[in-house]
Order: sequence, then structure tokens, then C-alpha cells
Amino acid sequence: GAVVSQHPSRVICKSGTSVKIECRSLDFQATTMFWYRQFPKQSLMLMATSNEGSKATYEQGVEKDKFLINHASLTLSTLTVTSAHPEDSSFYICSARGTSGGSDTQYFGPGTRLTVL
Amino acid sequence: RKEVEQDPGPFNVPEGATVAFNCTYSNSASQSFFWYRQDCRKEPKLLMSVYSSGNEDGRFTAQLNRASQYISLLIRDSKLSDSATYLCVVNLPGANNLFFGTGTRLTVIP
Repeated sequence: GAVVSQHPSRVICKSGTSVKIECRSLDFQATTMFWYRQFPKQSLMLMATSNEGSKATYEQGVEKDKFLINHASLTLSTLTVTSAHPEDSSFYICSARGTSGGSDTQYFGPGTRLTVL
Repeated sequence: RKEVEQDPGPFNVPEGATVAFNCTYSNSASQSFFWYRQDCRKEPKLLMSVYSSGNEDGRFTAQLNRASQYISLLIRDSKLSDSATYLCVVNLPGANNLFFGTGTRLTVIP
């Protein structure tokens, strides 16, 4: 199946710093990538949809100025958490839409666990 | 009303048992349906797609009931390695992304 990588896998940072997370589709081109956030014992919540070469579409309640998304190429999208605070500590997962076995599927990266002290 | 609703469980079953999960969706125009599996502190992974005719993959059987707007997953002969959270996922018409249920947690006990 298709492979999506995320880097870094784990980040611990001080409050007020910015953190950048990369999401790459390794063996397919993804015109659309998605960023999710998952708090402990809760479901995945879509934060934004990232389209290559255009502005991201943010879900209601997600601050676009705080969560900066860049989708510069068909294989790379980045999420930058600006001025992170402890309440931003979460599991951030990206996914990329691709085709496998003739069907359109979303493939997930391994996630980035962010801890803000 | 949530797009996708699941019983969060937990379901604690003995090895070898058969267990079934149900999920309901609110939009009758939904087009694609999936079950994903998520292990603790890991990303979700596609378990199987769900087709109108029903489909089976080894010990796993998925079914779709469009009239009642529910999806089911049946696991036969449960293994310890089946312990995970099972996510019901729906693709809405015109939407580019997937909608996830909150997941049903399964623990298979030796």
C-alpha cells in the first residue's frame, strides 16, 4: 500500500515556541493532504485540508494563523504550530489521498506527538 | 447530530469469541464506507472497505445496510492481536475528506 511519512515522530518544546511537522507521500502524488488532531481517548478531528499550490481549508474552530499549513509540492505538506501552548499538546496525524488497487483511499502518516511544557 | 456514531465500548471478549460492532451514519447520500483500526498511540490503518453486497476478509466481515444507514463489522475467532480501537469511517458526497466515528475499543482477553 501507499506510504506516508511524518517527521518528527515526537516533539517536546517550551511554551511559546513554534513547531513544524512535515508530511510526505513517499510513493504517490497527493494533490490533497489532511491534517488531524487527536486528544487522548478521543476521535480524530480534522483540522484542515491542504491542497497543493493553494491555501488550506480550515475546519470551524481551527485558527489559521496559529496552525500554518503549506503544501508546496505534490508530495509534501507542512503544519507549523506557532507559539505553541500546553493545550496544543496532542497527537497530530496527516493523511494523503491516493489510489491503491483501483480504489481511492486515505493513507495516514505515523503521527507526531507534540508535548508543550 | 454527528455524521458517524459508534458505541465507544469497551468490548472485552475472550479469545476465540465472535464480536460485532455497529455504526450509524446520518447522511443518506454517503458514498463510501470503511473500517479502520487504530492501535494505542498509533495512526489509523485501513482494515477494510465496506461494500453494499457485504465483504469478507478472513475472520472479518463487513456489511452495509443503506436502508437503515448502518455499517457493521464482525470479527470471528478473536485473537489477542485484534485488541485495538475500530473506527467507522464515511465519505460524504462532495466532501474531499473522511468522517470518523469516535471508535469502538476492543480488548481480547486470554
